[in-house]
Amino acid sequence: DAKTTQPTSMDCAEGRAANLPCNHSTISGNEYVYWYRQIHSQGPQYIIHGLKNNETNEMASLIITEDRKSSTLILPHATLRDTAVYYCIVRVRDDKIIFGKGTRLHILP
Amino acid sequence: DGGITQSPKYLFRKEGQNVTLSCEQNLNHDAMYWYRQDPGQGLRLIYYSQIVNDFQKGDIAEGYSVSREKKESFPLTVTSAQKNPTAFYLCASTTRGIGNQPQHFGDGTRLSIL
Repeated sequence: DAKTTQPTSMDCAEGRAANLPCNHSTISGNEYVYWYRQIHSQGPQYIIHGLKNNETNEMASLIITEDRKSSTLILPHATLRDTAVYYCIVRVRDDKIIFGKGTRLHILP
Repeated sequence: DGGITQSPKYLFRKEGQNVTLSCEQNLNHDAMYWYRQDPGQGLRLIYYSQIVNDFQKGDIAEGYSVSREKKESFPLTVTSAQKNPTAFYLCASTTRGIGNQPQHFGDGTRLSIL
């Protein structure tokens, strides 16, 4: 199973870009990288996903390295409402979707 | 609106009692999942099902049981064999295969022991 590694926590000043890294060095060629976030006591919210090209939507941008062994989620202008735990996951072949411990992002006023 | 409904939102269990958590989806998804979350921790996979009448154990299946008699329903039973059941339980669903569809999550059920 492809596994991911994320920093335990990060801080970012309000209004600045938040860059959240994720390592997935054992990822296979056709496995997607997904990002979710979870605000306290709620179900995780889908943010973005990608295979090998960079992706952007209304919430964030996803930058995947050329060798696909790591990626970065970018929140371009962080607000206090972006304070949450962010999960990077890789989907494996048999639909067994495993979450790690994620990164706790603190947005500082 | 399509989505996943978990009920109840809060549930209390007495020692030695089995309880069943409900999860219903109207997204026409084949794959459904149950996760457990303890305070300050990530999500741990309990069981998942890729198709009706079939399911697989996740990483922490002991003390839990599931059924998948209908595509839209995937109830989780927390049995008396689960010695530490107090946690936040999340249900999710998605399409099958590696394809590029994300998981959808319910709002969770918080289970506590009386």
